[in-house]
Amino acid sequence: GDSVTQMEGPVTLSEEAFLTINCTYTATGYPSLFWYVQYPGEGLQLLLKATKADDKGSNKGFEATYRKETTSFHLEKGSVQVSDSAVYFCALSDQSGGFKTIFGAGTRLFVKA
Amino acid sequence: NAGVTQTPKFQVLKTGQSMTLQCAQDMNHEYMSWYRQDPGMGLRLIHYSVGAGITDQGEVPNGYNVSRSTTEDFPLRLLSAAPSQTSVYFCATTGTDTQYFGPGTRLTVL
Repeated sequence: GDSVTQMEGPVTLSEEAFLTINCTYTATGYPSLFWYVQYPGEGLQLLLKATKADDKGSNKGFEATYRKETTSFHLEKGSVQVSDSAVYFCALSDQSGGFKTIFGAGTRLFVKA
Repeated sequence: NAGVTQTPKFQVLKTGQSMTLQCAQDMNHEYMSWYRQDPGMGLRLIHYSVGAGITDQGEVPNGYNVSRSTTEDFPLRLLSAAPSQTSVYFCATTGTDTQYFGPGTRLTVL
């Protein structure tokens, strides 16, 4: 079945460092891909999404490109802030809205001042 | 506009007890889902509904029941709680472009 694999954490960075969180997927069709963020004690929030190959999703300085040839959707940010400390989930769905989403295990990010 | 609300926020049960986790939404979304979140495993789909009166099983449905009598409410029932059901439970609705998650219920089964 469909699945999502993302890099294990935790990832610890200093403020203003460059961030990459790797994500690869396995799917039989052409899914929509998502990155969600979970701040401590809260539910998940959509960070960005891409619905077809070569689409780039972006939000709050984060971006990820849907790479069909490498089945990847890596999350990047050029300069992280302490406030970016959270758990990040890569996910896929066969619907653009994300119904019946399959999630990766999550990557915890710590950003030090 | 409250979005997705869940009650209770925390709950401790003894093995064999039953309880209902409540989920309500005011966004008039047809699609609703229940997930559980366990360390190192991300979120896994328990049950989902595509509209009032229609429910179906997700990836990990055993030990849980759901019903959907109205668009707004989607309760999750544990009929006989087990320690393996200790987890954080999230309810979600699906709009046009994204899912909206509730704040979660942290459940501990002793």
